[in-house]
Parts: sequence; structure tokens; C-alpha cells
Amino acid sequence: DTEVTQTPKHLVMGMTNKKSLKCEQHMGHRAMYWYKQKAKKPPELMFVYSYEKLSINESVPSRFSPECPNSSLLNLHLHALQPEDSALYLCASSQDFGLAGGNEQFFGPGTRLTVL
Amino acid sequence: LAKTTQPISMDSYEGQEVNITCSHNNIATNDYITWYQQFPSQGPRFIIQGYKTKVTNEVASLFIPADRKSSTLSLPRVSLSDTAVYYCLVGGGKAGGSYIPTFGRGTSLIVHP
Repeated sequence: DTEVTQTPKHLVMGMTNKKSLKCEQHMGHRAMYWYKQKAKKPPELMFVYSYEKLSINESVPSRFSPECPNSSLLNLHLHALQPEDSALYLCASSQDFGLAGGNEQFFGPGTRLTVL
Repeated sequence: LAKTTQPISMDSYEGQEVNITCSHNNIATNDYITWYQQFPSQGPRFIIQGYKTKVTNEVASLFIPADRKSSTLSLPRVSLSDTAVYYCLVGGGKAGGSYIPTFGRGTSLIVHP
């Protein structure tokens, strides 16, 4: 199984809502990532988990809260988002997270988020 | 962190070979070069990765000169389904040795019939 799955595919939420995005992989990968991608822009790294611990937080606002319950699952909890947070949210995994970046990342299909 | 520069867009025709060059002048000694392909509203897909000289797989070749300050992704005999955005990534590191995957602007390839 070389697939990263993400749910839901689409999400519409109001600025006062609380919602969560989910990501799952069963490749035994120990690194998992969240990216945000706006239309016609490249993916921007948000968070990296390595061995279930948060390794990188790219100065993401606290209204985005990541969680890694186990090595196969990655969640992104959303609260009090703004309309400008509307984007495609991508999850990825790689075998490891370390020097030189020689690890291939496997991406999920993304969650299309719209904040009203 | 090694920054990458690619052409914003390229056009080609079915059956032609396409070469996309990426500049990464301040690549570090341990950095790898990785290329991804992305279709609209989908996650990026790994194409190929290399460190030096030439790497070839079933879909592409990657040419890296000796100074490693650039790399060229070569797609043989493209088809309409190769229309996508292609990203070049170079492994970088913050203090402590972490790799921060950074996508550049990418190259939008359009293949015409």
C-alpha cells in the first residue's frame, strides 16, 4: 500500500466552527507533513512530524493545531479560521526525516477547504 | 537553504522531448535534487531524485553537471497527459540538520496535440 489518504475531500466551514482534517498512511513511514497550497501557488510547508513528535512548525498561526496520535495518523485541527485560510491542504509522508532530504515524499489528494 | 529557479512555463507538442532546467546555485554538499509533478487539485507526485551525474527511471531522466548548480529534468516523448506543473526541490537544512522541503514556483508544462 503506497497510498496516503485524506478526509474529507472537501470542507466548508464558518469562521466560528471547529473542524479537523485527517491523514493516514500504512507504509511504515516515520515522517508526516502538512502543506497548504493556494491556487496557482506552490505547496507551503506548515508542519513536520518525525517519529510522532512535532519537529517543524513553520510559524503557523495557532488556529491550526496539528496532532499525531500514532505513526500512521496525522490530524490538523482547525478553529476560528479566516477566509484567507481557504486553500488545498495536503498531507505527505516519507520514510524518514533527516539530513540531505533524500527521502521521497508521498502526497495525499488533499482536502479543499473553504472558509466562509 | 538552497533556492531554486525554474522557467515559469513551457510549451511542447506530443511526441517531443522536453527538458526543464532548474538552477540551484547555493546547493549544499549533502543536498539531493528531487522533482515532483502536480496535476490540478491533486497532490504532487514524485518523479525522480538524484545527487550527481545522471539518473534514469521509467518516466524521466535527471542530468546533474559536476558543479551541481543546476539540474535538468528530461521527459522523453511527452503526451497530453504530461501537462502539469513540475517542481524542483533541493534538500536543505536548518541548524540541527533538519530538511525543510521547499517548493519553488514550478514550471507549468503545456503539451499540445
